[in-house]
Amino acid sequence: GAVVSQHPSWVICKSGTSVKIECRSLDFQATTMFWYRQFPKQSLMLMATSNEGSKATYEQGVEKDKFLINHASLTLSTLTVTSAHPEDSSFYICSARDKGFSYEQYFGPGTRLTVT
Amino acid sequence: AQKVTQAQTEISVVEKEDVTLDCVYETRDTTYYLFWYKQPPSGELVFLIRRNSFDEQNEISGRYSWNFQKSTSSFNFTITASQVVDSAVYFCALTPIYNQGGKLIFGQGTELSVKP
Repeated sequence: GAVVSQHPSWVICKSGTSVKIECRSLDFQATTMFWYRQFPKQSLMLMATSNEGSKATYEQGVEKDKFLINHASLTLSTLTVTSAHPEDSSFYICSARDKGFSYEQYFGPGTRLTVT
Repeated sequence: AQKVTQAQTEISVVEKEDVTLDCVYETRDTTYYLFWYKQPPSGELVFLIRRNSFDEQNEISGRYSWNFQKSTSSFNFTITASQVVDSAVYFCALTPIYNQGGKLIFGQGTELSVKP
């Protein structure tokens, strides 16, 4: 149990276009989902916390208009990178917190975004 | 402020050697969880252990063991008789139980290379 999926697993897009990444909790309900970004050889950096039915809370320095987060249901959160640029190329990882167990956080396999 | 420090950026060992990965943390919270995750080249985070701040018992799981010392704010991870498959980046992380909304604070990671 406790599986989190991400789609797509990798994506290449052209500069200026937008790309959407989906994060789904497959066998549990997640009131909270987190989005992280990881650059090569670096740690995970929390971008935002997404709560079902409410606006996401963004970390300092993260552009909310550029990284649109929608948490429409207890099993799905989406991250849309708008007007992507090469510097947005990164590994994006989501995690979901089990509604029943507030301290358990399960990670998706990540999405590798390359902007050309 | 919460902080996790993994001072060892890279470690290289020869197979069958024992290796210890250090983790030192800072928090003003009295109740928190500590975690270790493994990130192999595929990128997906693999959960290894969660430790409650109230539980200072050391834990052993096969070749893995963890030493939690609240007095020194450390949560070190030892791999006994290392194997090539242990090669990965290892992250230590902290989350306060009642504050921060479940956010995980990650250390910078230690890249372990086990050579045959």
